[in-house]
Amino acid sequence: GAVVSQHPSWVICKSGTSVKIECRSLDFQATTMFWYRQFPKQSLMLMATSNEGSKATYEQGVEKDKFLINHASLTLSTLTVTSAHPEDSSFYICSAPSGRAWGGELFFGEGSRLTVL
Amino acid sequence: SQKIEQNSEALNIQEGKTATLTCNYTNYSPAYLQWYRQDPGRGPVFLLLIRENEKEKRKERLKVTFDTTLKQSLFHITASQPADSATYLCALYGTASKLTFGTGTRLQVTL
Repeated sequence: GAVVSQHPSWVICKSGTSVKIECRSLDFQATTMFWYRQFPKQSLMLMATSNEGSKATYEQGVEKDKFLINHASLTLSTLTVTSAHPEDSSFYICSAPSGRAWGGELFFGEGSRLTVL
Repeated sequence: SQKIEQNSEALNIQEGKTATLTCNYTNYSPAYLQWYRQDPGRGPVFLLLIRENEKEKRKERLKVTFDTTLKQSLFHITASQPADSATYLCALYGTASKLTFGTGTRLQVTL
């Protein structure tokens, strides 16, 4: 299947700093990518939909100024957590659809574990 | 409100037995239902997709059923192996064109 690569796999930062997470589709093009967040023993929660060449669409309750998403090319989307705080510590996972117009499976990255001290 | 419910308690079964996991949903009219596997600290991996007009889907040792009247999907793993131990997530596409996940059920297969 298609491969989605995420980097870094884990990061520790101080409170107040910004952290950038990259999500790349390695062998296919993705006009749309999805960013999820997962807290321990909880489900994946969709944060935003990243659209190549246009603004991201954020889910209700997700601060767009805090979680900056840029989808500059057909193979790269980035999530920047600005002014991170301990409550932002979580497992962030990106995904991209298989290419089916709607309803197809998602290919997920390996996830990025963020710990804010 | 829309809900996707999976048994939050871990399912422990013996190697060789069939594992059956349940996914119930409310206030959805999904056209597709999907199952994923997630290992600790990793991203989910797609397993199977079933459409609303399909009753059953199989892939090797996996079988998924979809009952839109009961609003339920069952996920079966036959001849379970310790390597099948993981968390299994069901996910639905709703009218908002977003894939929403259940909380997952952890399966533990013992020797």
